[in-house]
Amino acid sequence: GQNIDQPTEMTATEGAIVQINCTYQTSGFNGLFWYQQHAGEAPTFLSYNVLDGLEEKGRFSSFLSRSKGYSYLLLKELQMKDSASYLCAVRDRGVSSYKLIFGSGTRLLVRP
Amino acid sequence: GAVVSQHPSWVICKSGTSVKIECRSLDFQATTMFWYRQFPKQSLMLMATSNEGSKATYEQGVEKDKFLINHASLTLSTLTVTSAHPEDSSFYICSASKQANTEAFFGQGTRLTVV
Repeated sequence: GQNIDQPTEMTATEGAIVQINCTYQTSGFNGLFWYQQHAGEAPTFLSYNVLDGLEEKGRFSSFLSRSKGYSYLLLKELQMKDSASYLCAVRDRGVSSYKLIFGSGTRLLVRP
Repeated sequence: GAVVSQHPSWVICKSGTSVKIECRSLDFQATTMFWYRQFPKQSLMLMATSNEGSKATYEQGVEKDKFLINHASLTLSTLTVTSAHPEDSSFYICSASKQANTEAFFGQGTRLTVV
């Protein structure tokens, strides 16, 4: 089966850096995604890792270690608008097709 | 490119009635579409994977006779919630991929309220 774990809530200060961790167990790993979701809205894509290492995209970076089943999302220069839920999702190679399995999400609150 | 449109964005229906939700890929052909359900303050739970021209693959615990999925064309998948009950009230989100192992793009979501 699949299991994806991430912290439920985090709080950080505007302008600071925050790291959101995600650990996963899956039988057919085919990539890891990070999404941002504001309340009542659909998720928006942030980053994608399929190989080990760091992927940087502006203020957001994501890291993957496949041997450890571990990823993190790093947010720099935090802004108030970054207050949202951050979803870690693993693409799993199922029996007949790929599917995206989501973690429970981490609610990030950015304070002034 | 890669826009997924979901309709309606919200719907209120009476208990016992059926509701159809559409998911369209506007500028690409989607061989695979996914349907998720999200309860308040919870994450997205995959309900089923829909491949064009074939039967949907449902996740364990999802009633295929209650949640009917049709993927009749490469740009449209529909989810019909049959005999809806208040406990079916949720946020339903679809996503679509050009191919099975490529990035999935999300629709705007549909908030279903059953009264």
